[in-house]
Amino acid sequence: AQSVTQLGSHVSVSEGALVLLRCNYSSSVPPYLFWYVQYPNQGLQLLLKYTSAATLVKGINGFEAEFKKSETSFHLTKPSAHMSDAAEYFCAVTTSTGRRALTFGSGTRLQVQP
Amino acid sequence: NAGVTQTPKFRVLKTGQSMTLLCAQDMNHEYMYWYRQDPGMGLRLIHYSVGEGTTAKGEVPDGYNVSRLKKQNFLLGLESAAPSQTSVYFCASRPGTGGGGTEAFFGQGTRLTVV
Repeated sequence: AQSVTQLGSHVSVSEGALVLLRCNYSSSVPPYLFWYVQYPNQGLQLLLKYTSAATLVKGINGFEAEFKKSETSFHLTKPSAHMSDAAEYFCAVTTSTGRRALTFGSGTRLQVQP
Repeated sequence: NAGVTQTPKFRVLKTGQSMTLLCAQDMNHEYMYWYRQDPGMGLRLIHYSVGEGTTAKGEVPDGYNVSRLKKQNFLLGLESAAPSQTSVYFCASRPGTGGGGTEAFFGQGTRLTVV
């Protein structure tokens, strides 16, 4: 079984500031980890994913995440926030066997202040 | 390339009514999923299918049924709607090959209100 915990349901940053969204996971087998973004009234779009090839993963729109096995973390960062980054972000985990369904965290809503 | 298409996009039901949500994907994916999204709870898995003719329960299956008669379609049914089923429903699909790291593609969602 696997689970995901996202710390902070709401995060507010100023435009140009660092974005840090936290994700911790639990998995009894090697995990595959994902970050998805959801803009208002839309579906989910993949930002980036960890598949064991590299611990630092770069995604779209300048986002990146680092897989840290010792900390069971996969935090999402962006050096400089843009107004268009305002959205809800979901961390998710799955494995390579069975149903391969994504297990999601509860989400973090990012606000970007001008 | 349409990807994953959900119909309808919005629906209001009265308690006790039934309805079917349709999910169609044109990517020849083996795996398909139905999730519900509720505030502060992320997305929770209702039912899933690992191939044509197969279905299985997820974490929150009560009050829902599904069918996958054709590979490209995955139907979610509510036999007797309840206010607790007011939610946004998302369908997703992913390939059957490529391991756990393959991307899941999501539809635009169906916003259902049960009054």
